Amino acid sequence: AQKVTQAQTEISVVEKEDVTLDCVYETRDTTYYLFWYKQPPSGELVFLIRRNSFDEQNEISGRYSWNFQKSTSSFNFTITASQVVDSAVYFCALSEGDSNYQLIWGAGTKLIIKP
Amino acid sequence: DSGVTQTPKHLITATGQRVTLRCSPRSGDLSVYWYQQSLDQGLQFLIQYYNGEERAKGNILERFSAQQFPDLHSELNLSSLELGDSALYFCASSVSGSAYEQYFGPGTRLTVT
Repeated sequence: AQKVTQAQTEISVVEKEDVTLDCVYETRDTTYYLFWYKQPPSGELVFLIRRNSFDEQNEISGRYSWNFQKSTSSFNFTITASQVVDSAVYFCALSEGDSNYQLIWGAGTKLIIKP
Repeated sequence: DSGVTQTPKHLITATGQRVTLRCSPRSGDLSVYWYQQSLDQGLQFLIQYYNGEERAKGNILERFSAQQFPDLHSELNLSSLELGDSALYFCASSVSGSAYEQYFGPGTRLTVT
């Protein structure tokens, strides 16, 4: 069965530190998609990235980067030079073709950036 | 702003009552998804509609139902409400029923007293 594990419940760092959020997934499908979403204190869910299972290239977007490794079934998210505005709950999610692309969610990691 | 709208933003009601949550997808999106976020269960997929037809069902209770109308807006109906139904209900939309990114509305916070 498909599953997403975010083992870090809460991470607290001081501003400007780098921080990595871990995501480990389980799936039997060869075709699947991985996502990261951000949920700031205001509550909305903000899309950050989608990655398909055939593309293992790392992605960088400004201070954000993602490391996808099929060998370890991981899709980790790194924030470089963190800022207070990065404080939020971050969710990793998985979708598979045979599940009609519904999102299976991890429990989320609460990230606290202290000034 | 994702372009997905949800009304109302907050809803307080009593046990046993029925409520309707409304969602308008982004312009051009044919697929609508409903999710429930609660403290004990986390984020859970409820149901998906694509171009007016039900496409997939998740952990949706029998007391809950949904539909997507010809103009593509969707409604989630929750009946015989229980205290445990208190949660944040999100609607999301995507271009098609396939694995494109889903864009989420601001959510409706339902409190059952």
